[in-house]
Order: sequence, then C-alpha cells, then structure tokens
Amino acid sequence: QKEVEQDPGPLSVPEGAIVSLNCTYSNSAFQYFMWYRQYSRKGPELLMYTYSSGNKEDGRFTAQVDKSSKYISLFIRDSQPSDSATYLCATYAGGTSYGKLTFGQGTILTVHP
Amino acid sequence: EPEVTQTPSHQVTQMGQEVILRCVPISNHLYFYWYRQILGQKVEFLVSFYNNEISEKSEIFDDQFSVERPDGSNFTLKIRSTKLEDSAMYFCASSRRQGSLETQYFGPGTRLLVL
Repeated sequence: QKEVEQDPGPLSVPEGAIVSLNCTYSNSAFQYFMWYRQYSRKGPELLMYTYSSGNKEDGRFTAQVDKSSKYISLFIRDSQPSDSATYLCATYAGGTSYGKLTFGQGTILTVHP
Repeated sequence: EPEVTQTPSHQVTQMGQEVILRCVPISNHLYFYWYRQILGQKVEFLVSFYNNEISEKSEIFDDQFSVERPDGSNFTLKIRSTKLEDSAMYFCASSRRQGSLETQYFGPGTRLLVL
C-alpha cells in the first residue's frame, strides 16, 4: 500500500471557485501534515502545515486533517489564476524520522479566468 | 527573504560519469536534505544530514551517492557513476531544526539528464 496517495488530476476550475484537494495516507505514525505548492520547474514551496487532527486557516486556504480516517484536505476559496500549480501533500512522522517527508503524487490545478 | 539556492540549474552528463550537485542552504539552518523527482513521479526523499553526518537515507541512496558539507555554506550531492535512471530533478532543502512543525525550505532544483 502506498504511504500517501493523491489524485493527480488534472483539476480545472473557473476563477472564484472553491477548490478541494485531498490525500489519504496509510501510516498511523504520521503526525505532521503539510501542503506544498509547486510551480512548473520550480521547487516545492510550503503553503500550510498542521499537527494532528483539526483545521487550520490562512487567508483563502484551509487545511484539514482527520487522523481517524487518515484523510488530508486543502481548500482554496475564491481561487485565482495565480493559484494554478501542482499541489503536493506531504507527511512526516517526527521523532526518529530525521526530517523525512513523504509526498503524495501532486494534483495539477488550473484556475482559468 | 533568505532562500535555498542550487547550481547548476541543468546538467547533462554521459552515463558512467560523476556529477556533483551543489546547494547553498539558508544560513542559520542546521539540517539539510536531498530529494529527487523523476518526471511525472512523486518527490522522493534521498537523505538527511546533520552535524556532518547522514541522519537517515532511503533505499534509493545507495553506494553511488554521497553527500558532503565541504565548508560552512555548501552542501553537495555526488553521484559517482551515473545511470540513465538517475535522470531527475534533484531538490535540496534545509530546516533550522527537525521534527515539530519546523518546515523544510526547498531550492529550485537541478535538472539532471543522463544520456
């Protein structure tokens, strides 16, 4: 079973739409959950991170983690064309994992005007 | 804003040749990482490095790979004898600490093409 699974899309939405991006994971040891944004031919850029279950909001972005179902979500409100990128979920177990991030496949998002 | 830098941005090499990919982490960061991303695939962890030692490495990071912090600013990844399947984007990352919510900052990557 893959550790982190993410629908690669592509996902295309009109400007202003609410976008929902999701990942599932299999390893119960994962405690930290991140969303990275990656523009074409660039490095991943951290958007948001959360610890354990719950919600975290930052402007138009909301990250949600449900550890009971091993489900991670990122919601983008009022999406903009500049949000067009690949969104990567990532997890981290902490402790003796020595910083090893485990990434999902990435979802390609296009927001068209 | 401080950022991780990587050189070169692109590298083309012949199979069997050695390559060295260079990274300058953010200056007050103490933990360093290499990841790779084969075209169309996931970003994969290769190695983490702290206090001049490898902390953890993945099964990808075999004897052909090595890392070094030759001075106070650079962090390098060496591939001794490149294979076709080493063609990928290689990302360097750094963080101040490990664990907790300490985030890793990624460089722009080096695109390696092995012919």
